Amino acid sequence: GAGVSQSPSNKVTEKGKDVELRCDPISGHTALYWYRQSLGQGLEFLIYFQGNSAPDKSGLPSDRFSAERTGGSVSTLTIQRTQQEDSAVYLCASSGGGYQETQYFGPGTRLLVL
Amino acid sequence: GQQLNQSPQSMFIQEGEDVSMNCTSSSIFNTWLWYKQDPGEGPVLLIALYKAGELTSNGRLTAQFGITRKDSFLNISASIPSDVGIYFCAGGNYGGSQGNLIFGKGTKLSVKP
Repeated sequence: GAGVSQSPSNKVTEKGKDVELRCDPISGHTALYWYRQSLGQGLEFLIYFQGNSAPDKSGLPSDRFSAERTGGSVSTLTIQRTQQEDSAVYLCASSGGGYQETQYFGPGTRLLVL
Repeated sequence: GQQLNQSPQSMFIQEGEDVSMNCTSSSIFNTWLWYKQDPGEGPVLLIALYKAGELTSNGRLTAQFGITRKDSFLNISASIPSDVGIYFCAGGNYGGSQGNLIFGKGTKLSVKP
């Protein structure tokens, strides 16, 4: 596609439920990133994919968070047993994956855990 | 972990004024990026810097990659109302298994009342 797309754009869930967030990167981009942005804060790195593998998962805050990428394209971020502190905007970015490739962001998914 | 200090946190602008913001880091980066984020949108790339000392312009925006590789600044000349938004600096060390960016907390630009 022309840009990075994410779905859903907004998600309201109850504490304890699982949620899945989807990211469609720019066509042909090999690298994909997930970030979390809390209200009034900068972006917090979660996980980085190169192709279908994740060489850097260091930002995942707990084992309730997981992500996968299939076919070198779409990625899904899953949060199990959501907590209120998981409420944030989850942003996905993609890049060509080469050295010095810049990252292009999607519009984000706004997650609210009640 | 690595942290970026971005300042100022917020500022008010009057149309026509020049604006300056900067980021400093406790460790070095090989890439500095500046993004702008409008409400409800993802960050949009403004300027990318890849070489220490590099000075790059994009229209009314100018950014520099500090010679120590630990800092960067962004200047906006002759500000206009659509410059309002949140500006983020980001540092990266591409290559190998590390591809993520470290972001500053942002500088919020608002119109002076």
